[in-house]
Amino acid sequence: AQTVTQSQPEMSVQEAETVTLSCTYDTSENNYYLFWYKQPPSRQMILVIRQEAYKQQNATENRFSVNFQKAAKSFSLKISDSQLGDTAMYFCAFSGGSNYKLTFGKGTLLTVNP
Amino acid sequence: NAGVMQNPRHLVRRRGQEARLRCSPMKGHSHVYWYRQLPEEGLKFMVYLQKENIIDESGMPKERFSAEFPKEGPSILRIQQVVRGDSAAYFCASSPKSKETEAFFGQGTRLTVV
Repeated sequence: AQTVTQSQPEMSVQEAETVTLSCTYDTSENNYYLFWYKQPPSRQMILVIRQEAYKQQNATENRFSVNFQKAAKSFSLKISDSQLGDTAMYFCAFSGGSNYKLTFGKGTLLTVNP
Repeated sequence: NAGVMQNPRHLVRRRGQEARLRCSPMKGHSHVYWYRQLPEEGLKFMVYLQKENIIDESGMPKERFSAEFPKEGPSILRIQQVVRGDSAAYFCASSPKSKETEAFFGQGTRLTVV
């Protein structure tokens, strides 16, 4: 069974600074996808970024980028130039060869302070 | 193009009553997934349905829970004889095919059992 671990229950960062959220996972599969989702107070689950395991290049989406270390089974999210609207719960998620079932970590509550 | 629509957003039920949660997938999406989020937890997979078929219900409790996705109309997650432990946020996601990489989430239904 796959597991996803987010070891930081809460983090805070000053506006305009950079913050990195950690995620590790465990799987025996070779082909899989990794995701970061954002859940603001509205509770909507918003896909921030995704990474395909067979791609060595780290995914980036504007201010969001990942550091994917396949051998270490690590998938951290870096948020640059943090904005107040980035305040939310962030969930790391995994999807394996079955390609439809997402396994989520417990989340990291990120607070961006003015 | 409306997103995934879930209703109601909030549902209060007394112990022993039935709860019915509805999910209308995005236009053109034929695959629906239900997830449950307990307090302080990440989302956990419950069931995956295609039109008129349950594909994977490995995450569904064996008793009191059922799901359907009829040929016409929304997908329904039904919880009979609710108990306090059923209080959670229930999320629906949809995709055009069996690819969670193209899945979009609804805003969830928060069920409170009193």
